[in-house]
Amino acid sequence: GENVEQHPSTLSVQEGDSAVIKCTYSDSASNYFPWYKQELGKRPQLIIDIRSNVGEKKDQRIAVTLNKTAKHFSLHITETQPEDSAVYFCAASRGTGFQKLVFGTGTRLLVSP
Amino acid sequence: DTAVSQTPKYLVTQMGNDKSIKCEQNLGHDTMYWYKQDSKKFLKIMFSYNNKELIINETVPNRFSPKSPDKAHLNLHINSLELGDSAVYFCASSPFRSANQPQHFGDGTRLSIL
Repeated sequence: GENVEQHPSTLSVQEGDSAVIKCTYSDSASNYFPWYKQELGKRPQLIIDIRSNVGEKKDQRIAVTLNKTAKHFSLHITETQPEDSAVYFCAASRGTGFQKLVFGTGTRLLVSP
Repeated sequence: DTAVSQTPKYLVTQMGNDKSIKCEQNLGHDTMYWYKQDSKKFLKIMFSYNNKELIINETVPNRFSPKSPDKAHLNLHINSLELGDSAVYFCASSPFRSANQPQHFGDGTRLSIL
């Protein structure tokens, strides 16, 4: 089955810096890659997703890149702000009719003012 | 106007008891899910139902029994609770016919076993 690895497990940056979180997946048939942000005590919330027919997607300060050949995808956050502090999860699924999302182990991002 | 709502938000109970968690979504989605998030924050799928039919059943102890009375509701019943069941349980939903659509999560139920 699918296995998703995520690095780093913790990431500390200064406000205004960029943050990059990387994930690798094992199932070459996976074609949907969402990223979720989970604030302390809250629900996971989708912040961006990418499908296997594109290599990059951007939404304001957030971007995701996908390398299907290497089977890895990354989340890039520019101009980080303290409110970006949270746990970020990557996930992968085949998306064939129904989704079986396999999540990475999470990255705790801390943005210091 | 909550899209995916779970009750209760907190559940504290003794080992060996039986408890249920309820989930309802008003998004018109066909597919609903239960996830378990352990103390290390690892999110793992447990079950998924599509229009009342079980479609994903991971290797979950049979003390856990999901029930879907209709496509807007997915409840989770847990028998003979054990210490290891302590976790946050999240319900989620997504459209079915449109593959690769985002899953929307509820606020979670924090289950604590004494």
